[in-house]
Amino acid sequence: DIVLTQSPDSLAVSLGERATIHCKSSQSVLHSSNNKNYLGWYQQKPGQPPKVLIYWASARESGVPDRFSGSGSGTDFTLTISSLQAEDVAVYYCQQYYDTPRVTFGGGTKVEIK
Amino acid sequence: QVHLVQSGAEVKKPGASVKVSCKASGYTFTSFAITWVRQAPGQGLEWMGWISVHDGNTRYPQNLQDRVTMTTDTSTRTAYMELRSLRSDDTAVYYCARVRALEAGGIAYDNWGQGTLVTVSA
Repeated sequence: DIVLTQSPDSLAVSLGERATIHCKSSQSVLHSSNNKNYLGWYQQKPGQPPKVLIYWASARESGVPDRFSGSGSGTDFTLTISSLQAEDVAVYYCQQYYDTPRVTFGGGTKVEIK
Repeated sequence: QVHLVQSGAEVKKPGASVKVSCKASGYTFTSFAITWVRQAPGQGLEWMGWISVHDGNTRYPQNLQDRVTMTTDTSTRTAYMELRSLRSDDTAVYYCARVRALEAGGIAYDNWGQGTLVTVSA
């Protein structure tokens, strides 16, 4: 199975500041046939189910604010919240679907307000 | 709009079985697969498998394949997940989610049920 390791486990960021979350894969999720990274990001607010934010490592889901961006390729990926808002307090998970339908998730990163 | 509504919380004894339902509305049920994901208290997300509503094909992870069965009833637009031989470490919130197929075999879980808490306790 592909293992995804997220860092940090948690971070506290001031309102309006940047939050950066990392996700490292145990093997490349870049498909050579189409140059796409089979990686997504999900947000889970307290007491709610997860919500998809990003797919293909950098494609924003419809309706997701543009302060959320994804980057990276191969085995190293980043989710950036450019200007943290109070409503962004949540746990964020990366997910690989390179081995679809067998997906795996990272361990999660908790984002709080400093 | 799309809704997935799950059945209510369950309390089961070790060794018992549980069957959670997920009723879909707002889209063509047979056009999307359904996946199940669980989350133990304070823990991360674990993929439990998926079912193609169109043809009933299923895929399960190796660690659950002997204990889990996923089915659908297209007449009622409902998906089911049954887990057998329950253990205390099966205590978790169980989610169903709709699988949107992207190009080139990609997927996104684009709509989720509200979750069903299953507690396994003697």
